[in-house]
Amino acid sequence: DADVTQTPRNRITKTGKRIMLECSQTKGHDRMYWYRQDPGLGLRLIYYSFDVKDINKGEISDGYSVSRQAQAKFSLSLESAIPNQTALYFCATSDLRPGQNEQFFGPGTRLTVL
Amino acid sequence: QKEVEQDPGPLSVPEGAIVSLNCTYSNSAFQYFMWYRQYSRKGPELLMYTYSSGNKEDGRFTAQVDKSSKYISLFIRDSQPSDSATYLCAFSMNRDDKIIFGKGTRLHILP
Repeated sequence: DADVTQTPRNRITKTGKRIMLECSQTKGHDRMYWYRQDPGLGLRLIYYSFDVKDINKGEISDGYSVSRQAQAKFSLSLESAIPNQTALYFCATSDLRPGQNEQFFGPGTRLTVL
Repeated sequence: QKEVEQDPGPLSVPEGAIVSLNCTYSNSAFQYFMWYRQYSRKGPELLMYTYSSGNKEDGRFTAQVDKSSKYISLFIRDSQPSDSATYLCAFSMNRDDKIIFGKGTRLHILP
């Protein structure tokens, strides 16, 4: 079974709709991240959380919000989706390890906003 | 000057060739240097990890860091079709810090 899962895997929605993307992990990691990936722009950090009570904005947080419901769950919301939020969204987790700073990614959610 | 620069490719090479992938960076505070591999329709996964300068080898893969030139490289020996993927360089200042990713280079190994 996958350690980091994302639901849904694909979603098509219309402008103005509220959308929630969910991420769950069984790795026991404290740290969770949301990225979006766009052709030509690479991976950009939206929000991150170092523990259940900690939420931080990333590089491109405008238009997004997050909720850390538990250590294992981190959801991303688009309150009113717009077409330029069409992208591939990844959740990732990490934990402090000696000498490393590795992030483990989920399989991604492909979101299309019409 | 962009913080990280990486040629997007695509780069097509014949099977068995040596592949060289590169990134330049501008932030001299980066101390952790990584390469992630991303197959089509999958999330990125860590391939190589180097702290500070020098070379690191793992099987057919060698990661090289030149901090004086702010330049990192990933070499793939005896390339295989299964190496076809997008390779992202990645950087962070310390273990607690966010990771900054390059835009990725698409690599095609031709059978």
